[in-house]
Amino acid sequence: QKEVEQNSGPLSVPEGAIASLNCTYSDRGSQSFFWYRQYSGKSPELIMFIYSNGDKEDGRFTAQLNKASQYVSLLIRDSQPSDSATYLCAVKESGGYNKLIFGAGTRLAVHP
Amino acid sequence: GAVVSQHPSRVICKSGTSVKIECRSLDFQATTMFWYRQFPKQSLMLMATSNEGSKATYEQGVEKDKFLINHASLTLSTLTVTSAHPEDSSFYICSASISGGYNEQFFGPGTRLTVL
Repeated sequence: QKEVEQNSGPLSVPEGAIASLNCTYSDRGSQSFFWYRQYSGKSPELIMFIYSNGDKEDGRFTAQLNKASQYVSLLIRDSQPSDSATYLCAVKESGGYNKLIFGAGTRLAVHP
Repeated sequence: GAVVSQHPSRVICKSGTSVKIECRSLDFQATTMFWYRQFPKQSLMLMATSNEGSKATYEQGVEKDKFLINHASLTLSTLTVTSAHPEDSSFYICSASISGGYNEQFFGPGTRLTVL
C-alpha cells in the first residue's frame, strides 16, 4: 500500500512568520511531487511541483525534496491570513501510471 | 493556462435519479482525466482514471455500473451517477493531466451533489 503521510494540524503561525509543512511517502520509486492548496469548500489548486532533490523556489513558496529520506516539504515565507487553507502533498505513483497519491492534508491557520 | 471547468457546480436531485457531471479542459488537451470524491473534512478519494477513447480504470471498491465514466475527446470527460441515493451526496471533483508534462493534475472547481 503506497502511502503519503502528513500531519493533520492545525498548524498555527502568526502573520509574517514562516510556515513549514512536511510530508513523507512510502513509494521509493516516485519521481514527481506536488503541493496543492485547498480552501474550505473549494477544489485543490496546484501551488508547485518538484522532481529533483534540493530546493525549488516560487515567490513566497519553497518546496524541498529529499528522495533518500522520502521526504517533501513546503515552506511559506511571510505567511498571510489568506494562506490559511489545507495543504495537500501528492506523489506520482511509480510504475508507469499517472495517478497521484494524496496525503490527508495539513490545515494551516495564519493569525493576524 | 491549464484551466479545467466542471458543470454543474451544484445539483440537488431526488433519490433514484441519474446525474451527469461534465469536466472540460479549456486550454489544453488532456489524455488523462481523473474523478475524485471528497466527503466533508476528509481527503480526496480517487474514484477512477479516464483515458480518451478507452474504458475508465476504477479504483477498488468503486462500482463501475453506478459511476459511469465516458472520455469522449481530449477535452471532455463525463461522470454519470446512476440511480443516486443519499449516501452518494458528496463533492465530486475532476482533474486533467497535461500530455507530456510532469503529470501535474489541474482540478476543476467541483460539483456538490445532494441527493434527497
